[in-house]
Amino acid sequence: DGGITQSPKYLFRKEGQNVTLSCEQNLNHDAMYWYRQDPGQGLRLIYYSQIVNDFQKGDIAEGYSVSREKKESFPLTVTSAQKNPTAFYLCASSIVGTASNQPQHFGDGTRLSIL
Amino acid sequence: AQTVTQSQPEMSVQEAETVTLSCTYDTSESDYYLFWYKQPPSRQMILVIRQEAYKQQNATENRFSVNFQKAAKSFSLKISDSQLGDAAMYFCAYRSALSARQLTFGSGTQLTVLP
Repeated sequence: DGGITQSPKYLFRKEGQNVTLSCEQNLNHDAMYWYRQDPGQGLRLIYYSQIVNDFQKGDIAEGYSVSREKKESFPLTVTSAQKNPTAFYLCASSIVGTASNQPQHFGDGTRLSIL
Repeated sequence: AQTVTQSQPEMSVQEAETVTLSCTYDTSESDYYLFWYKQPPSRQMILVIRQEAYKQQNATENRFSVNFQKAAKSFSLKISDSQLGDAAMYFCAYRSALSARQLTFGSGTQLTVLP
């Protein structure tokens, strides 16, 4: 079955540590996205990528980094510069171009907590 | 920048009854797409329904329908014959037709279905 796989499901970070969240898709989508969700709030865009080896900052990119070396993979690193990383992180993918009425498909998310 | 507002943080409905969730948005664009996503306790984001701004006809998907008022920038979701499985957080989202950049989400409405 086609879909988006996020791992791990739960992740704990120590102070001063970088952690990487994995996102893999087999939908052959060009675009991939990372969102952060805090309690009682909607999703906020961290980074997005429309093509391999290219990505753009979203609304809350500070303290995060990404890479897009393969079409199917878009890992997110939460760096020590992100002072409040505790949140639920969602990865999504979509078709781009003229089919922008196509929805984004989401993974099941990763919950990150501070130790 | 576009904004999406959901003014009802919580709503409840009796099983088998009808409920309407409100959403308004602000944009200067004339061509765009609107979506309703459902997020059950599993935290997975599930597409409920979509609407193209150029279409005057309101979208319907089984028990789910929208009331799209383009001039008023309103996009409400009606759930008919509510079921226990409809209980979830519902997010309204906007996507520009000019850019595949992202979805802009509202803050969500938590729907409770009472037996």
